[in-house]
Amino acid sequence: DTGVSQDPRHKITKRGQNVTFRCDPISEHNRLYWYRQTLGQGPEFLTYFQNEAQLEKSRLLSDRFSAERPKGSFSTLEIQRTEQGDSAMYLCASSSERSYTIYFGEGSWLTVV
Amino acid sequence: DQQVKQNSPSLSVQEGRISILNCDYTNSMFDYFLWYKKYPAEGPTFLISISSIKDKNEDGRFTVFLNKSAKHLSLHIVPSQPGDSAVYFCAASPPMNRDDKIIFGKGTRLHILP
Repeated sequence: DTGVSQDPRHKITKRGQNVTFRCDPISEHNRLYWYRQTLGQGPEFLTYFQNEAQLEKSRLLSDRFSAERPKGSFSTLEIQRTEQGDSAMYLCASSSERSYTIYFGEGSWLTVV
Repeated sequence: DQQVKQNSPSLSVQEGRISILNCDYTNSMFDYFLWYKKYPAEGPTFLISISSIKDKNEDGRFTVFLNKSAKHLSLHIVPSQPGDSAVYFCAASPPMNRDDKIIFGKGTRLHILP
């Protein structure tokens, strides 16, 4: 399967701990996106990369959040000092530069207790 | 400010009948529109899309209609099947030459009744 892959699928953490999610995009895609989804909401944009360059960050991405894509391939999203409000599904998606369509991974569920 | 609006949180349709999901947008700069389907605990799956230069796109049981003057699009599913029960997200994209992101609506939960 060569779709978008996310790891871990589920993470339960105590408030105040740090968590990191990894995303492996579709191999020929140079754009990579992070979205967040909470109950009753659609996916909300967090940030996106074209190759290794981070081109846009949402206001939702507080300074506790950091995303990297060091070699233009996989990406990590780290949340420091987690809060209960960070509980959500974190979605990664990728696309080709020449396509409007973005393809999502299966998501990483975060529960902060 | 919600740029993409799905005003019906849920919709119930009899199996075999037509399901019509609606979406409104406010930004006339949007260039491309997409529909995604989502099952619980899974990521959204791309379903069908339409360019702003068209008013209809059809793919099997799924048809998307775009009314640019009304800033409205709709997804028709006919005939509806039990596996169509899911949350459907409408999404809109700015022109490709702009470094901007796809905006999603809040979704409509479709229940297909036996």
